[in-house]
Amino acid sequence: EAGVTQFPSHSVIEKGQTVTLRCDPISGHDNLYWYRRVMGKEIKFLLHFVKESKQDESGMPNNRFLAERTGGTYSTLKVQPAELEDSGVYFCASSIQPNTEAFFGQGTRLTVV
Amino acid sequence: AQSVTQPDIHITVSEGASLELRCNYSYGATPYLFWYVQSPGQGLQLLLKYFSGDTLVQGIKGFEAEFKRSQSSFNLRKPSVHWSDAAEYFCAVGQAGTALIFGKGTTLSVSS
Repeated sequence: EAGVTQFPSHSVIEKGQTVTLRCDPISGHDNLYWYRRVMGKEIKFLLHFVKESKQDESGMPNNRFLAERTGGTYSTLKVQPAELEDSGVYFCASSIQPNTEAFFGQGTRLTVV
Repeated sequence: AQSVTQPDIHITVSEGASLELRCNYSYGATPYLFWYVQSPGQGLQLLLKYFSGDTLVQGIKGFEAEFKRSQSSFNLRKPSVHWSDAAEYFCAVGQAGTALIFGKGTTLSVSS
């Protein structure tokens, strides 16, 4: 069974550009989460989808971040326009039940220069 | 405020020696407790979890953790460390329907 897949694995963009990160959860997992780790800090929650609906987006830092999960399958996280402080590793996770056992992808390392 | 504290940023252990990584939490109720590991170039892998019941939890790769309610702790242990255990370890807490709260992580180095 395939795990959670994220791509790209790395992205380097200039300040002001747009980047879209993608996450493919494990098949059948209704719950999908985005987390972010800024260098030297904790992994922090961004948002939680249940199927295609946003269950909790309290961790989204500002309106430059837009997450979608059309059809309840894969999800995208768009940053537009990117700022230097957006640099970090973005993790996606999925689970069958909310927070019972979340499986994480390997993350996308985003560098904004 | 809800938080997770991993007091050790970096630990070095000799191969074959025992290991204990500390985790303390502050949470309104008894949360679900998790330990994740991230090896270089890999994603976060769940080592073990505690929801309820027996406070000593066995996980993968020979790891175990003990939940101590009175100390709000969930320390991770391994009796004999292998070089392949070198990685970053994260303690996390949460409840059904809520986001996970992570500690800052502890980097484990294994010396030969």
